[in-house]
Amino acid sequence: GAGVSQSPSNKVTEKGKDVELRCDPISGHTALYWYRQSLGQGLEFLIYFQGNSAPDKSGLPSDRFSAERTGGSVSTLTIQRTQQEDSAVYLCASSWAGGGGDTQYFGPGTRLTVL
Amino acid sequence: AQSVTQPDIHITVSEGASLELRCNYSYGATPYLFWYVQSPGQGLQLLLKYFSGDTLVQGIKGFEAEFKRSQSSFNLRKPSVHWSDAAEYFCAVGEYGNQFYFGTGTSLTVIP
Repeated sequence: GAGVSQSPSNKVTEKGKDVELRCDPISGHTALYWYRQSLGQGLEFLIYFQGNSAPDKSGLPSDRFSAERTGGSVSTLTIQRTQQEDSAVYLCASSWAGGGGDTQYFGPGTRLTVL
Repeated sequence: AQSVTQPDIHITVSEGASLELRCNYSYGATPYLFWYVQSPGQGLQLLLKYFSGDTLVQGIKGFEAEFKRSQSSFNLRKPSVHWSDAAEYFCAVGEYGNQFYFGTGTSLTVIP
């Protein structure tokens, strides 16, 4: 089917507001990943889901960041009380089963700008 | 901790010239190694990956990469670059478990 989709593609918000970013993985993929890509930086791992559970939340930068996945499919990344340093491109990826050798398929990303 | 280093932030090559993008990793065991490309406004696309076996891996778009354990390297090569290859290239290491480590990327400019 279709590839990984993310919405919105762009989000501009004011400092202190909450934002929700959505990821629709490839149908049938059990693993889902969130990354953050800041200007001039590589991809920073945020969180990983296997099914609906998140065995690895080690990359979430602060307690303002949270994520959930429902029905083993769609995932939402929520950033509360956004700060300017949260401005970045947030990328979602999915893979069939997870694991270090499993190819990840990436969405186009959501560009978040915090004013 | 595992890490991936791409020492070249930006590379400029002429169209038709050969290309080599460097990637070094730090990992205790034999890693899973990947190269991804990100074109402007696009998501990351897998170029190739190495798991085991033949250390020279062929990928899409005419790219290849060679795993050299002794040098902890996984350099990406292309014998003749096309203008459409201008993009950001990321090397990544996957470990047992689910963690992936990406390099900071190399931006490629192709001169006509």
